[in-house]
Parts: sequence; structure tokens; C-alpha cells
Amino acid sequence: NAGVMQNPRHLVRRRGQEARLRCSPMKGHSHVYWYRQLPEEGLKFMVYLQKENIIDESGMPKERFSAEFPKEGPSILRIQQVVRGDSAAYFCASSPASGRWASKETQYFGPGTRLLVL
Amino acid sequence: AQKITQTQPGMFVQEKEAVTLDCTYDTSDPSYGLFWYKQPSSGEMIFLIYQGSYDQQNATEGRYSLNFQKARKSANLVISASQLGDSAMYFCAMREGLDDYKLSFGAGTTVTVRA
Repeated sequence: NAGVMQNPRHLVRRRGQEARLRCSPMKGHSHVYWYRQLPEEGLKFMVYLQKENIIDESGMPKERFSAEFPKEGPSILRIQQVVRGDSAAYFCASSPASGRWASKETQYFGPGTRLLVL
Repeated sequence: AQKITQTQPGMFVQEKEAVTLDCTYDTSDPSYGLFWYKQPSSGEMIFLIYQGSYDQQNATEGRYSLNFQKARKSANLVISASQLGDSAMYFCAMREGLDDYKLSFGAGTTVTVRA
């Protein structure tokens, strides 16, 4: 049973370019979460999606960032016109369900995409 | 205010000894879950252990155990019989409320196991 898959693992962009990060959740998981980890810090929540729905994007910057989870295919985190401050590790996590949890409903993380903006 | 506080930026431990990583949390919600994740140098986030706020017993998973002290709002991770492969960054995280899903992470503690 494959885990959460993210690609690319490393991405280098110049200022002003676009970055597209992909995430395929674990088989059977329909809930996807994106987190950002700045250097020397813990992960910060960005957005929570279900298929074709953005449930909560309260952690996402208002401009330049967008996320989607289409009916078919991976979830995409898109950063337009990247700036140096966007350099970070971006993690995707998935879970089988969410809300009203009686058990742990652990979020399982992918290996992350390291974005470097030159 | 910080929801999760990890006060130890780095720790050294001798192989085969036990190490305790501190984690305190802040929430007014009676329902919450506490998680520990390991991040080795390769960068992935590995789930280790979970403790629910209503769980009566401290969680254990192999060499990992969670010292849950609800009144003190602490959820310390204990790694017993440390191995060289335990060298990594360790993050404490919390999810609040029955309907919530966001994990709030601490800043992490780096553990280095010495031979």
C-alpha cells in the first residue's frame, strides 16, 4: 500500500516563476492537507481539501497561492510569481476521514517538496 | 499564543539509554489529540504515537511512550533504548476539538544519539 506521494521532491525556481507541487494521497484517503515548513521551524497548516472542494484555506497566503484537489488526479498546490520567502519544504498529508473523530485519524505525511527560489 | 511549546532545541543521548522530549500544550477545548512525529535528515515526517485527551492510559508504541500529564498540559515523549537511527528532529503536534483537523506543531527538538 503506497504511502502519500509528492513530486517533485526538489524544485528550483527563479523569482517570478510559477511552482506547481503535486500530492497523491494514500489509497482510500479522501482528505488532503498542505503544510509549509520554513527553515528551523515546525510545520504550519495551509489548506484542507476534499475531492473538488476546498474546506479550509485559512493558513494560505491570500495572494499567489492556490490549491485544488480535482475529481481525478493529484492535489496541486500552485504558487504564482514566487519570491525568495516562499523557499520552504511543503508537505502534503492525507487521512481517511476527518471531523467527529473517535479514534486518532492520523494524518500521514508525504516526503515533502523542497522549494528553493533563487 | 503558542499552542505547542518544545523548549529543548537539541539533545544528546548515549546509545541504549532513554531520552525524554518535553512538550507542553495550550488549549481550552476538552477534546484534543496529541501526536509525535519524527523527521530524520532525509526530511520525511514519520508518525510515532498518539494520545487522546480522554484516554485513561498513557500511549505506548514499541520503544516510544507518551507521558501524558493532563493537569500540567504536558505530553512528553520517552524513547527507550536509544538507537543511532533515532537521531532526528522530533515534533509534537496537537489537534483541537472533535470537528477540527488542523495540526499545530511545535518548533521541534533535535536528538543526536551517540555511539
